Amino acid sequence: QKEVEQNSGPLSVPEGAIASLNCTYSDRGSQSFFWYRQYSGKSPELIMSIYSNGDKEDGRFTAQLNKASQYVSLLIRDSQPSDSATYLCAVLQNAGNMLTFGGGTRLMVKP
Amino acid sequence: GAVVSQHPSRVICKSGTSVKIECRSLDFQATTMFWYRQFPKQSLMLMATSNEGSKATYEQGVEKDKFLINHASLTLSTLTVTSAHPEDSSFYICSARRSAGTGELFFGEGSRLTVL
Repeated sequence: QKEVEQNSGPLSVPEGAIASLNCTYSDRGSQSFFWYRQYSGKSPELIMSIYSNGDKEDGRFTAQLNKASQYVSLLIRDSQPSDSATYLCAVLQNAGNMLTFGGGTRLMVKP
Repeated sequence: GAVVSQHPSRVICKSGTSVKIECRSLDFQATTMFWYRQFPKQSLMLMATSNEGSKATYEQGVEKDKFLINHASLTLSTLTVTSAHPEDSSFYICSARRSAGTGELFFGEGSRLTVL
């Protein structure tokens, strides 16, 4: 079982819709969770971090964390074609110095 | 967010030559930097963890004599691909974490290496 799992997609949503990206992790002691966006041919860019259970909102992005279910998600409201990218979930494990990345979900927002 | 600069962004070299890639944290100190490699349409693969003032820690399957890492200061790590071959062609990305931070990694722009 992979330590951080994401559906590879592609997830296709129409412009203006809500895109929901999901991630599960195996280390129950993980404390820090991050979402990165990676455009094709570019390096990842940090877009959200979340450390406690519940929701965290930043503009059109909402990160949701449920440690009991070992689940973290990213919602993108009013999706735009420019949101089309691969979204990487990353988890900082309890005893570690290293972020563990999921394989990424490719999002396609269609005009 | 914090700024990590990587240079060069693109490099084309002949087989057998060595290529050095620099990674700098511009506005923070980074005791630890990480080097990743990414092949087309694949996920990030961690190659090694670079620790300031000590030897790098390499992931399983990564040849330490081929991928030389030096982390000479709190703001600079270098990756040297020695005797490059076409199979080493890839997108190499460095990242850094603030010495006093909350765990997030900041990535450099990446270096696309093409070995002819």
